[in-house]
Amino acid sequence: GAVVSQHPSWVICKSGTSVKIECRSLDFQATTMFWYRQFPKQSLMLMATSNEGSKATYEQGVEKDKFLINHASLTLSTLTVTSAHPEDSSFYICSARDPQAGVETQYFGPGTRLLVL
Amino acid sequence: DAKTTQPTSMDCAEGRAANLPCNHSTISGNEYVYWYRQIHSQGPQYIIHGLKNNETNEMASLIITEDRKSSTLILPHATLRDTAVYYCIVGRNFGNEKLTFGTGTRLTIIP
Repeated sequence: GAVVSQHPSWVICKSGTSVKIECRSLDFQATTMFWYRQFPKQSLMLMATSNEGSKATYEQGVEKDKFLINHASLTLSTLTVTSAHPEDSSFYICSARDPQAGVETQYFGPGTRLLVL
Repeated sequence: DAKTTQPTSMDCAEGRAANLPCNHSTISGNEYVYWYRQIHSQGPQYIIHGLKNNETNEMASLIITEDRKSSTLILPHATLRDTAVYYCIVGRNFGNEKLTFGTGTRLTIIP
C-alpha cells in the first residue's frame, strides 16, 4: 500500500514552545490529509481535514489558532502545536487519501508522540 | 459518533482463524465498510474494505451480510503479530468525507 511518513517520530518540548510535525505522502499525491490525536487507551479523534492550497477544516472543539495546519503541496501537510502545554501531550497521527487506490483508501502515518514538560 | 459496534476484546489461538464481528445497522447505501488495525504505538494500518460483496486480499477476508447491517473480518491463520486493536469503520471515504473511529476490538493472539 501507499506510504505516509511523519517527522519527528517523537518530541519532547518545554511548556510554551511551539512544535511542528510534518506529514508526507511518499509515493502518491494527496489532495486531502487528515490529522488525528490519540490519548492513552483511547481511540483516534479527528482534529482537522487538510486540503492542498486551502484552509483546513477543524472539528468542533479543536482550536484552529492553537493547532495550525498547512497543506502547501500535494505531498506535505504540517501541524504546528503553538504554545504547547502538558495537556497537549498526545500521539498525533496523520493520514492521506490516495485517490488512485480504488475507493480512495486512506493511509496513516506512523504517528508522532509529543510530550510537553 | 461512530456508526459501528464491536466487541471490546477477543482472544484467538495462534494458527486459528480470527473472526471479528462488526454491527453497522445504520449503514447507508453508498457507504463502504473499512477495517483498519492499530498495533501498539503505531499508526493504523489499512486491512480491507468492501461495499456489499465479500472481499479477500493477502491480509484478510471481509464477509458482509446481505442486508449490509453487519460484517466479519477474518484473519485466516492468526499469528502473534496480529495482536492489535481492530477498527471497523463505515463511510464514503472520498473528497472531504471523514472516517470516524470507534473503540475497536482488542484482539489478543494466544500462543
